[in-house]
Order: sequence, then C-alpha cells, then structure tokens
Amino acid sequence: DIVMTQSPDSLAVSLGERATINCKSSQSVLYSSNSKNYFAWYQQKPGQPPKLLIYWASTRESGVPDRFSGSGSGTDFTLTISSLQPEDVAVYYCHQYYSTPYTFGQGTKLEIK
Amino acid sequence: EVQLVESGGGLVQPGRSLRLSCAASGFTFDDYAMHWVRQAPGKGLEWVSGISWNSGTIDYADSVKGRFTISRDNAKNSVFLQMNSLRPEDTALYYCAKAAMVRGPDLFDYWGQGTLVTVSS
Repeated sequence: DIVMTQSPDSLAVSLGERATINCKSSQSVLYSSNSKNYFAWYQQKPGQPPKLLIYWASTRESGVPDRFSGSGSGTDFTLTISSLQPEDVAVYYCHQYYSTPYTFGQGTKLEIK
Repeated sequence: EVQLVESGGGLVQPGRSLRLSCAASGFTFDDYAMHWVRQAPGKGLEWVSGISWNSGTIDYADSVKGRFTISRDNAKNSVFLQMNSLRPEDTALYYCAKAAMVRGPDLFDYWGQGTLVTVSS
C-alpha cells in the first residue's frame, strides 16, 4: 500500500499570510507513460464532505480560487494557499489515485492565528 | 447538478449486516466509476471500495475484503454496499463518491453527504 504522510498535523496562519502543507508518498505516484502524478488535494470543512481542490498534483478544480496551488512530483508534494482567507479554515487531505488501495494522508488542520 | 444521496445507515450489532445505497443524479451514471469512502468519527478518510462503470473492475480495501460487496444498477443510477459481519471498527460516516473522469482514473470529484453506520452492542 502507498502510505501518504502529511506535515504538519496542524497549522495556524494569520489572515492574508501564506499557508503551506506538505505530503510525502511512500512510493512514486508519477505514471511514466503519461508523465502525470496521480495525486490530489481535498478540503474538508466541519460537517461537510471533502471537496476536490487540486488534481494531477497541480491542476485546480473548476471554481477553486487561484490562491490555492499545488506543486511537486514523484513522492513529494505541496499545497500552498497564497493569502489565507477566513473560509479556508478546514482540514486538508492529500490523496493518491495511482494504485489501489487508494489512500489519503492523515489530514492537516488549518486554523487562523 | 450532480447529486449523490446515501441511505441505509444506522445502528447495528456486531456480526450483523447492513446495505447502503447511493442514488445518483445530474450526470450520465453509467459512464463513471463509483466508490465508497468512510470516515470514522473524528478521524481521516479511508477508501473502502470502488466499481467501474460496467462493474468489470471491483476493488476493496483489505480491511473489508471478504465482508463487503459493492454493486451497481445502471438502470436505477444507484450503487450499493452490502456490509456483512460488521465490526465496531466499521463505525463511520460512509460517503458515496463519483470518479471525476469518464472511464478514467479514480479521482473523486463529487461526494454525497454520507450515511452514518454505528456498530455497537
């Protein structure tokens, strides 16, 4: 199984400041035949289902604000929120869809400082 | 508008069975794989099972293999999860999730609100 490890477990950032969440996979999720990373980020607010933010490691889902960006390849990935807004308070999960069993990181709780 | 509505959850004793349903609308159901993902109270996300558009490919997490069975009825735009031999550790909110791409990789773009399964004596 591919193990996804996020850091940090929790993060407090001031409004308007940058937030960075990291995720490391235990093996590469880069598919060589198409050069795509089978990697995504989700946002989950209390009482709501997860919402897809980023897929293919760096492609923003339609409707997601451009302050959210994803980067990385292979085994190391980063989610960056360039200027934190109040509505960004949530738990963020990384996810690999490279192979079954599909797995998620343990989650990073993002709060306002 | 894509909608996924789960039902069938509830309180059940260990060892008993439960069948979850997910009714889908707002998209061409038989073009997409469908999945179940669960979340134990206060915990993270765990993929449970997935089924391809034509039921030709079915996968399970090791934690449920041999106990849970996923199926779909494309005529009724529904996906199901038959859960047998339930254990307390199966207690979770069960989400139905849609694959994002037609006959493509299993990335989940829409999720239902979930149905709560509680396994306790």
